[in-house]
Amino acid sequence: DVKVTQSSRYLVKRTGEKVFLECVQDMDHENMFWYRQDPGLGLRLIYFSYDVKMKEKGDIPEGYSVSREKKERFSLILESASTNQTSMYLCASSYPGGAADTQYFGPGTRLTVL
Amino acid sequence: AQSVTQPDIHITVSEGASLELRCNYSYGATPYLFWYVQSPGQGLQLLLKYFSGDTLVQGIKGFEAEFKRSQSSFNLRKPSVHWSDAAEYFCAVGATGGNKLVFGAGTILRVKS
Repeated sequence: DVKVTQSSRYLVKRTGEKVFLECVQDMDHENMFWYRQDPGLGLRLIYFSYDVKMKEKGDIPEGYSVSREKKERFSLILESASTNQTSMYLCASSYPGGAADTQYFGPGTRLTVL
Repeated sequence: AQSVTQPDIHITVSEGASLELRCNYSYGATPYLFWYVQSPGQGLQLLLKYFSGDTLVQGIKGFEAEFKRSQSSFNLRKPSVHWSDAAEYFCAVGATGGNKLVFGAGTILRVKS
C-alpha cells in the first residue's frame, strides 16, 4: 500500500515563526502536492512538484514556499507564520501521467498559529 | 477554469436508507472525476474515479457514481448507508495540464440511528 506520512498531526506556533511541514511518501511517486483544507472551501492547492527540485505554484501560494531535495520528501515552509494560516494541511503524492492519476493523501497536519 | 460544485454542505440520512451526494463540474473537455472520503481526523481516501468507458463506476465500500455528461454531474450513491459512512465527501475534477485536481467544498454526511 502507498503510504504518505506527515511529520506532525498537530502543531502550534506563534505569529512570525518559521514553520516547516514535512511529507514523505514511500512509493517512488514523481508528483507531490501540498493542499490547505478549510471548512466550506474544500481543498485548495498551495504548491506541487513533479520532480526533484521542480515546483509549481498552485492556487494559493502566497505566504508559502516549498522544497524538494529528494524524491520521497516534500516540505512546505511558512516563512513567517500568520494567524490566517491556521488550517489543516494535507500532503499528497501520485504517479505522473495526467489528471487520471490517483492522489494518495497523508493524514494531515492541523496547524494553529497564535 | 475548472470548478466543482457540491450543492449540499450537510446531509443527514438514517442508517439503512439510500444516499445520493451531488456533484456538478465545469470543464471544457472530457473530465477526469473523483470521489474521496475523509473520516474524522484522517486524510482523504479514494472511493472511485471516472476517466473513460462505462459511465457507471463502482467503488469501494459499496459506493457507485454515475457520470452524466449532459448534466455535467457525477453523483455518488449508496443503496444502504451504515453508521461508519459518516464522514466528509469530496468530489474532484482533473484539471487541464495534468496532475492537478480541483476539489469541491465537500459534503458532510451524518448518519442517524
